[in-house]
Amino acid sequence: SSELTQDPAVSVALGQTVRITCQGDSLRTSYATWFQQKPGQAPIRVIYPRNNRPSGIPDRFSGSTSRDTASLTITGAQAEDEADYYCNSRDSSGRNLVFGGGTKLTVL
Amino acid sequence: QVHLQESGPGLMKPSETLSLTCTVSGGSISDYYWSWIRQPPGKGLEWIGYIYYNGNTNYNPSLKSRVTMSVDTSKDQFSLKLTSVTAADTAVYYCARGTTMMGLDFWGQGTLVTVSS
Repeated sequence: SSELTQDPAVSVALGQTVRITCQGDSLRTSYATWFQQKPGQAPIRVIYPRNNRPSGIPDRFSGSTSRDTASLTITGAQAEDEADYYCNSRDSSGRNLVFGGGTKLTVL
Repeated sequence: QVHLQESGPGLMKPSETLSLTCTVSGGSISDYYWSWIRQPPGKGLEWIGYIYYNGNTNYNPSLKSRVTMSVDTSKDQFSLKLTSVTAADTAVYYCARGTTMMGLDFWGQGTLVTVSS
């Protein structure tokens, strides 16, 4: 079982805003990284620690953290955002990495 | 641009030892940690472990007894060995570069390893 908990599936209407969450005690002390993965492709980083966005990632992607929950928000979701999203951080020991179980985002 | 490429066998038999190598190009292997991550078909990502450029390692506790990682800075390569594989080890195996501040920023394309008798 993962120390980071994500909802298995979320849907959003085209152009609307969606929030994908990742909950875990370790998030109180460690920042999350968010990855997008499309079928048959390697994950790509969309948000990295301290809620930063890599160059080349659209500014509709943003990250935030509150207490034990990290969130990935897509403002104005596009069809190409349909993918699996994974959060990643440290576990409670602070030494090991851990991934959330992933959230499948459907854009309607 | 940093590029990572996994290499290794595509098909293995149960009880064999899986050996994978990740070759890094376009950047130095120093000053980073280098991770292995796997993804069984249709399932989520699982962190296997990481190795620093100086050879220090940290492994997923659930796999620790079967995992060994090594790094060869002269070749800009790092490697994974996983002993006593079973069908449950069938997965796409990824290598990735990481830092505390940037997370896992560059990934290889992944290589599928199938364990079957």
